[in-house]
Amino acid sequence: GENVEQHPSTLSVQEGDSAVIKCTYSDSASNYFPWYKQELGKGPQLIIDIRSNVGEKKDQRIAVTLNKTAKHFSLHITETQPEDSAVYFCAGITSGTYKYIFGTGTRLKVLA
Amino acid sequence: EAQVTQNPRYLITVTGKKLTVTCSQNMNHEYMSWYRQDPGLGLRQIYYSMNVEVTDKGDVPEGYKVSRKEKRNFPLILESPSPNQTSLYFCASSHSGGLETQYFGPGTRLLVL
Repeated sequence: GENVEQHPSTLSVQEGDSAVIKCTYSDSASNYFPWYKQELGKGPQLIIDIRSNVGEKKDQRIAVTLNKTAKHFSLHITETQPEDSAVYFCAGITSGTYKYIFGTGTRLKVLA
Repeated sequence: EAQVTQNPRYLITVTGKKLTVTCSQNMNHEYMSWYRQDPGLGLRQIYYSMNVEVTDKGDVPEGYKVSRKEKRNFPLILESPSPNQTSLYFCASSHSGGLETQYFGPGTRLLVL
């Protein structure tokens, strides 16, 4: 069945450095790729998303890139801050279906 | 305030004792979904509903039931809970499902003894 692999499972960076989280999807029909941030004790919240007709999308310090040929997409966070510390989930969704396939999550720690 | 609410937030129960976790949204969303979150496994979809009286299985539906009698509510029912259903559960909703933002509730932590 469809699968989304996410790496790394944990990531520690120094404050001010960049962080990159990568996901690979198996369903070539997937065409929507959101990223969610989950802070401690809360539900996930969308931070950025990208559709398959776009190669890159940016929103201030965060960006997402998509390589459809290789079937992978990445989250980039620049100038990391302590408040970026959280668990991040990627997901892949195929238009016309209502199933969400999430990755296994990455715990990001930003060290002050 | 636009939100998804879940009750209870924490629940300890025993094997075989039926329980219901409620989920309600005030955004007039058509699509609602239930997930469970387990360490190392991420979020896995249990059931989803595209509209009132329309539900379908996600990736891990075994041992769960749902109903969607009203647009705003989407309860998750565990008729005979087992210890392997100990998990963190999230309800989510979106306008119509598919390629759009999902809004998650705060989660329900369930322990089945």
